[in-house]
Amino acid sequence: KAGVTQTPRYLIKTRGQQVTLSCSPISGHRSVSWYQQTPGQGLQFLFEYFSETQRNKGNFPGRFSGRQFSNSRSEMNVSTLELGDSALYLCASSSTGTGPETQYFGPGTRLLVL
Amino acid sequence: AQKVTQAQTEISVVEKEDVTLDCVYETRDTTYYLFWYKQPPSGELVFLIRRNSFDEQNEISGRYSWNFQKSTSSFNFTITASQVVDSAVYFCALSDSHGSGNTGKLIFGQGTTLQVKP
Repeated sequence: KAGVTQTPRYLIKTRGQQVTLSCSPISGHRSVSWYQQTPGQGLQFLFEYFSETQRNKGNFPGRFSGRQFSNSRSEMNVSTLELGDSALYLCASSSTGTGPETQYFGPGTRLLVL
Repeated sequence: AQKVTQAQTEISVVEKEDVTLDCVYETRDTTYYLFWYKQPPSGELVFLIRRNSFDEQNEISGRYSWNFQKSTSSFNFTITASQVVDSAVYFCALSDSHGSGNTGKLIFGQGTTLQVKP
């Protein structure tokens, strides 16, 4: 099976712009979670989608949003980018979403905000 | 509040040495899961192991072994005969299930950077 894929892998934006990141889960997986990784804050949970519904959300401002499509692919959007949004954004998928399952991560999208 | 602490920020060893990475967790859940992930320079988090709170048996997989001790809330990871390819950042994580169901959220420690020198 192919692993989790994320596009694009690298992105450079300027402050105030918005960005959309994409994540395709492992085939058959229905749950997608997003994480932000920065040197200062480490790995922090953004949100999780299961069957096109946001099931859980981390402590991030409303500028961070996401959605999931019927084929389980997910996108996350960050509006009005700030310098502090520069990070590695990782998405992870798990199969049925019932019970704490193993999450398999993609290679991430490195976002640089100038 | 749930929390994972990896007190060792960086560890440097010489190839073939054994090394143990420490992980201490806090949770009020009676049922929970613990994980270890490896993050090489490429950035992708690679799953290593999952352990549930009812299974305290130690596990060995090749050069890797894990020691889960519920009494001390620790889930330590040992690499035997380390190799240069083991150089990476290692993360310990705790499932955030709020006692039931799945929230899809993992709580990560700050990670331990392991450098294995030839």
